[in-house]
Amino acid sequence: NAGVMQNPRHLVRRRGQEARLRCSPMKGHSHVYWYRQLPEEGLKFMVYLQKENIIDESGMPKERFSAEFPKEGPSILRIQQVVRGDSAAYFCASSPGTGRIGELFFGEGSRLTVL
Amino acid sequence: AQRVTQPEKLLSVFKGAPVELKCNYSYSGSPELFWYVQYSRQRLQLLLRHISRESIKGFTADLNKGETSFHLKKPFAQEEDSAMYYCALLGGGADGLTFGKGTHLIIQP
Repeated sequence: NAGVMQNPRHLVRRRGQEARLRCSPMKGHSHVYWYRQLPEEGLKFMVYLQKENIIDESGMPKERFSAEFPKEGPSILRIQQVVRGDSAAYFCASSPGTGRIGELFFGEGSRLTVL
Repeated sequence: AQRVTQPEKLLSVFKGAPVELKCNYSYSGSPELFWYVQYSRQRLQLLLRHISRESIKGFTADLNKGETSFHLKKPFAQEEDSAMYYCALLGGGADGLTFGKGTHLIIQP
């Protein structure tokens, strides 16, 4: 089991462009979480998804950010019209949804730099 | 609103000395608390959870509801304990874990 896979690991965008970050959960996991880590800050919850459903998006900025987890394929975090303040590390985590509650399996993160 | 506070950004102790990483939380209900660890060049991973009352790699953590704390302790630090440690709270419902800002633990030889 390769674990949670995120790509790209590093992404550079200019202001106003779009950023797409992908996350493939661990095999057998149907729950995906996205977190953002700003410099000198902890991990901030953004969104929790199950296949084809957004369960909790209370941590997502109201504009420009969206997330999906389609029936087939990876989960995608999309940031439109990026600004410098979007520069951060974005972490994806997955869980099976059963068993040990609170145990999330993290990817290595995608580092977004906005020029 | 739920909140997790780790007051120490950096903690440096000598090998063999006791370690205590502090974590305080704010939550109105009955929380579940966790410690996650990230070793150099590795992914963030679960270290232990209060509900299991377990000791992992010599670390223990006791939930103190009166002081709203969940400090992580180890009696004798080892060099391989050097890592970033994050305290996290699960407040119930469908939302994800709330993490503290993390404490960078450095064990000096």
